[in-house]
Amino acid sequence: SQTIHQWPATLVQPVGSPLSLECTVEGTSNPNLYWYRQAAGRGLQLLFYSVGIGQISSEVPQNLSASRPQDRQFILSSKKLLLSDSGFYLCAWRWEVEAFFGQGTRLTVV
Amino acid sequence: RKEVEQDPGPFNVPEGATVAFNCTYSNSASQSFFWYRQDCRKEPKLLMSVYSSGNEDGRFTAQLNRASQYISLLIRDSKLSDSATYLCVPKGAGNMLTFGGGTRLMVKP
Repeated sequence: SQTIHQWPATLVQPVGSPLSLECTVEGTSNPNLYWYRQAAGRGLQLLFYSVGIGQISSEVPQNLSASRPQDRQFILSSKKLLLSDSGFYLCAWRWEVEAFFGQGTRLTVV
Repeated sequence: RKEVEQDPGPFNVPEGATVAFNCTYSNSASQSFFWYRQDCRKEPKLLMSVYSSGNEDGRFTAQLNRASQYISLLIRDSKLSDSATYLCVPKGAGNMLTFGGGTRLMVKP
């Protein structure tokens, strides 16, 4: 069966510090992978998606970047965090039409 | 116009009530539609899919109106456990998955 792992679950980082969130998928190959951010009480904002190794599409220009170094690994990064980067970050993979989400990372920038 | 729009709510209803909310979409090429449920501080999970005019699963009914470009979710005999945020996702031919902002439902005893 397919599973998606996302870590860490919670993170508190100071402004200006770097960020690296990792997401891995098991049990499937060449999945479409997605990073979303959800601000408190708001909907899911699509940040990046990837259809294959090294292929990244950015939906919202911002302080973040994404990379896909391996088929089932998707990484969200930032060189310098801003207060506005706080939120709930969700990784997802898509099988045919259904999306499956990781458990999310709650990031607080202080 | 936003790609996907939902009334954020909250919809406050008593147990046993019937409640419905809509989701409008702008891309007329959308081929399939999904309702996800998200509990507080948790990841979204698929609730229902809609490929043609509608779909029914127990107390939940999803309907599609292509002419007016909206999908609806009807919940009958609401339970306390139905309290959550409901997100809609129209799916086009491409790789993007754009979620609506969600509608928050609160079922009261």
